[in-house]
Amino acid sequence: RKEVEQDPGPFNVPEGATVAFNCTYSNSASQSFFWYRQDCRKEPKLLMSVYSSGNEDGRFTAQLNRASQYISLLIRDSKLSDSATYLCVVPKSYGQNFVFGPGTRLSVLP
Amino acid sequence: EPEVTQTPSHQVTQMGQEVILRCVPISNHLYFYWYRQILGQKVEFLVSFYNNEISEKSEIFDDQFSVERPDGSNFTLKIRSTKLEDSAMYFCASSETLGGASETQYFGPGTRLLVL
Repeated sequence: RKEVEQDPGPFNVPEGATVAFNCTYSNSASQSFFWYRQDCRKEPKLLMSVYSSGNEDGRFTAQLNRASQYISLLIRDSKLSDSATYLCVVPKSYGQNFVFGPGTRLSVLP
Repeated sequence: EPEVTQTPSHQVTQMGQEVILRCVPISNHLYFYWYRQILGQKVEFLVSFYNNEISEKSEIFDDQFSVERPDGSNFTLKIRSTKLEDSAMYFCASSETLGGASETQYFGPGTRLLVL
C-alpha cells in the first residue's frame, strides 16, 4: 500500500451538494492527520486537523477510522469557493515530515 | 495573522548554477521544513530543521542541497548546481512544536524555480 492514497477525482458537483473524499494511509503508528486545501499554483493551507475519531468545523467534517487506517472529509452545502485540490496529510513519524497524498480535485459548478 | 514568507516568488536559472531560496518562518516557531512540488505532482518532503541542525531529510535531499539558518529570522535552501529536474515549486513551512495541535505546519507561498 502507498503511504497515503486518495480518491483520484476530479469531483464535479453542483453548488449546494454534499461531497465526501476518502484517504487511506499505511503507517499504523500515525497519531495525527490533516486535511489541507491547495488552490492552483498556491501553497497548501490547513483546513482541518484530526487527532481523535473526528472533527467538525462548520460545513466540514473529518472522520478517522484507525482500525481501517482511513480518513474522510465531508463537505456539506458546497460553495463555488470550495473548488480546490484537497490534500490528505499524514506525518511520517511523531511530528516531523508530512507525507502528502496526491490530492483530490473538486470543482463546484454554478 | 503571522505567516511564513518566501523570496523570490519566481527564480529562473541556468543548469549548473547555484540558487538560494529564502524563507522567514513564523517568529515563535521552532521547526522548519522545505518541501517541493513538481508541476502536476504531489508535495514531497525535502528536509526538516530544528535547533540549528537537520533533523530529518529525504532521498531527494542529496549533496547538492543544503539548508541554513544564517540569523534569527531567515531559513535558506541552497541548491549548489541546479539540474533541469530541480524545476519545481519549493515551499517552506514552520511549526511551533512537535505533537498535538501545535505540530500543524504552516506553508509559505512558495518559490517557483525554473532551470533552463
